[in-house]
Amino acid sequence: QSVLTQPPSASGTPGQRVTISCSGSGSNIGSSPVNWYQQLPGTAPTLLIYIDNQRPSGVPDRFSGSKSGTSASLAISGLQSEDEADYYCATWDESLSGPVFGGGTQLTVL
Amino acid sequence: QLQLQESGPGLVKPSETLSLTCTVSGDSIASTTNYWGWIRQSPGKGLEWIGNINYPGSPYYNPSGSTYYNPSLKSRVTMSVDTSKNQFSLKLNSVTAADTAVYFCARRPIDWRAFDMWGPGTMVTVSS
Repeated sequence: QSVLTQPPSASGTPGQRVTISCSGSGSNIGSSPVNWYQQLPGTAPTLLIYIDNQRPSGVPDRFSGSKSGTSASLAISGLQSEDEADYYCATWDESLSGPVFGGGTQLTVL
Repeated sequence: QLQLQESGPGLVKPSETLSLTCTVSGDSIASTTNYWGWIRQSPGKGLEWIGNINYPGSPYYNPSGSTYYNPSLKSRVTMSVDTSKNQFSLKLNSVTAADTAVYFCARRPIDWRAFDMWGPGTMVTVSS
């Protein structure tokens, strides 16, 4: 059972906009910045979003992050087949005194 | 270009110690702006943080590096740094089948508060 709650699956058609939610509490999302990772099948996660809404260089601006209170969201616009992957939210948890990850959302491009 | 590479045995017997090393190229393990971490992923499951190390640590209290461990693993985990080889290491003792996972090493810039670069991961199976 992950500290951060994500829907197990999401889907969309090419060109569509999809959002993935991440719900936490005051001791994690409510008090620390949120990150998002993309994990393609059989590979290591890669950082998509850091500090709620910042994109590392090389990440397309189709990916955007937002946070409100104890929830965060990842939005993917102009969905492409190559976006089919698992997506994880993460943040710092004060109770754990360390990073925590959501359970992951498997995105399918129909 | 920064690269991280995990190495170590792919098979460990129950009750023994899992030992992995992460070799870093393209950045100094002694950089004061980064933490270095281990994360694992059990087959078909999500990601679990194991621990971070920051080198150097406080010159008085933690000259060998400051370590931060997941409380659920803290009693079995040790992380260390070898600056001469630009590597950091993980030891997890008294392993069971529940420790079977892909183990990733990663860099965590202090300012970004995220793991920005990851190694490809190494599969470790605990079995007799």
